[in-house]
Amino acid sequence: DAGVIQSPRHEVTEMGQEVTLRCKPISGHDYLFWYRQTMMRGLELLIYFNNNVPIDDSGMPEDRFSAKMPNASFSTLKIQPSEPRDSAVYFCASSFSRRELFFGEGSRLTVL
Amino acid sequence: GDSVTQMEGPVTLSEEAFLTINCTYTATGYPSLFWYVQYPGEGLQLLLKATKADDKGSNKGFEATYRKETTSFHLEKGSVQVSDSAVYFCALSVYRGSTLGRLYFGRGTQLTVWP
Repeated sequence: DAGVIQSPRHEVTEMGQEVTLRCKPISGHDYLFWYRQTMMRGLELLIYFNNNVPIDDSGMPEDRFSAKMPNASFSTLKIQPSEPRDSAVYFCASSFSRRELFFGEGSRLTVL
Repeated sequence: GDSVTQMEGPVTLSEEAFLTINCTYTATGYPSLFWYVQYPGEGLQLLLKATKADDKGSNKGFEATYRKETTSFHLEKGSVQVSDSAVYFCALSVYRGSTLGRLYFGRGTQLTVWP
């Protein structure tokens, strides 16, 4: 079975540009999570969805960040405009109900 | 609030040494506790879990016991291998009714095992 698929794996962009990260959860999973990982702050939950509906977005840093889940098989995390402090590894994870989280391999973002 | 505190790394051991990574938690309800492992360049993978007090989670030679009296969930392995080199994360989640609670992660502990 395919796991959680994220794209791109690596993104290098310049400050001020728009960045879109994509995630395809495992088929049948009803929860989807976006995490950010940095050396300074560790793993931070940004937002999570249940059945495509955002449940908790209190971790989204500011209005420059937005996330959507238009259907059960696709989600995006958008940063506009991007800033150097957004440089991090962004992980998507999915879960079926109360069971374990399955993480993607991450998208490493570098904002110059 | 709910939180997890785990020992700072990095931890460096020789092959076949005994490993302990400490983890303590604070929770307002009855949490489930987890250890996740992240190998270089990969996402996190569930290593083991325990859902109630005195449960012992185990996998790949790793063990952790849910100790409610000390609010701890320390990770142990009797004999580490080079392939165990990774970052280990302690985590908790408090289920509230039918809703999956947030998963709170510790800061992670880097383990390096030398041959």
